[in-house]
Amino acid sequence: EVQLVESGGVVVQPGGSLRLSCAASGFTFDDYTMHWVRQAPGKGLEWVSLISWDGGSTYYADSVKGRFTISRDNSKNSLYLQMNSLRTEDTALYYCAKDIGRGTSAFDYWGQGTLVTVSS
Amino acid sequence: DIVMTQSPDSLAVSLGERATINCKSSQSVLYSSNNKNYLAWYQQKPGQPPKLLIYWASTRESGVPDRFSGSGSGTDFTLTISSLQAEDVAVYYCQQYYSTPPITFGPGTKVDIK
Repeated sequence: EVQLVESGGVVVQPGGSLRLSCAASGFTFDDYTMHWVRQAPGKGLEWVSLISWDGGSTYYADSVKGRFTISRDNSKNSLYLQMNSLRTEDTALYYCAKDIGRGTSAFDYWGQGTLVTVSS
Repeated sequence: DIVMTQSPDSLAVSLGERATINCKSSQSVLYSSNNKNYLAWYQQKPGQPPKLLIYWASTRESGVPDRFSGSGSGTDFTLTISSLQAEDVAVYYCQQYYSTPPITFGPGTKVDIK
């Protein structure tokens, strides 16, 4: 059974930093591109970042470019999101999502999310 | 960036009746070399993560009931629930993966029971 379990979400002050983690199991982790997608309270879905299977390619939404860094450790079946210079508008539930593969960037498995609150 | 729009914002349908949700992209998401539309649909129930229903605009994900179907091509797409069930109450999102990054979602359509 595929499982994605996010952690690391907390309350942090504007300008602060945070590292989110996602532990993956139930599939061959290093076969798949992985993503972070966020959802502000009561709002829609916003794609944040992706990382290729080997970590060689990374992409970011303009809203987080230069502040967030995605990474992965295939030996630990883990995905990470380093978040710096946090802003109040980064407040959201952050989901780790598995790429379906097969040449798509659709997401066939999602974690339950970890809540990041940026507030003074 | 490709902008996704959805209509209506919300709809209420009687149990057993058809629900239709529309999604429009600001530019075509049809890749001519493989004739595939890079469009997916998700269902999100309250307090849950999204669930993939449809990809390639019309391919149903494994385990998704056949009352859910996707259609359309180019810039105009439709998700149809042929016979609404109580468990289908949710917000539905379309998503394009033709031009990435960024991957973009529609704003969502809320489906309720009338």
